[in-house]
Amino acid sequence: DTGVSQNPRHKITKRGQNVTFRCDPISEHNRLYWYRQTLGQGPEFLTYFQNEAQLEKSRLLSDRFSAERPKGSFSTLEIQRTEQGDSAMYLCASSLVRGLGDEQFFGPGTRLTVL
Amino acid sequence: GIQVEQSPPDLILQEGANSTLRCNFSDSVNNLQWFHQNPWGQLINLFYIPSGTKQNGRLSATTVATERYSLLYISSSQTTDSGVYFCAVQTGANNLFFGTGTRLTVIP
Repeated sequence: DTGVSQNPRHKITKRGQNVTFRCDPISEHNRLYWYRQTLGQGPEFLTYFQNEAQLEKSRLLSDRFSAERPKGSFSTLEIQRTEQGDSAMYLCASSLVRGLGDEQFFGPGTRLTVL
Repeated sequence: GIQVEQSPPDLILQEGANSTLRCNFSDSVNNLQWFHQNPWGQLINLFYIPSGTKQNGRLSATTVATERYSLLYISSSQTTDSGVYFCAVQTGANNLFFGTGTRLTVIP
């Protein structure tokens, strides 16, 4: 098992463009999370999936953000009409939920820069 | 939401020194994890420790859930230990809440 992978690792875009990130979780993990991290801060939760169902969305996830996990495997996070404030590291994590509390494993992240 | 506070915010050590990082949280938790974020941004799992004590090489961690704190001990520090250490907690079976981290710099 190679761990959680994310693509691309870096993305530079112009304001107003759409971007899409991909996350491949650890195989057989049923939970997938997206977080965002800005400079000097800890990661902040955006949304999570249990299998293919999106169960929770943070208030940070504006209408310009959409996430999918179509077959309960990989996930995509799309940002439409990017703004400079969207510049951040986008992190994906996966876990195997068996009860209360789950150990989450993170991917290397996608660093987004909006010019 | 739950508040997670880490101290100290910054720590500079001479190689070979020991250190203790602290994480306080404001409510009961089902999960507590310690991470090391390397200079490339990768979060590396150190401990999954909702309660009790665990050790892994030069690192050990203790969580006292009833008093709502956790400690991470680093012994005989090395330059490769440099980076940011995050504590993160989970209430229920959902997302992690992260502290603001402790930035550790180990000087040769």
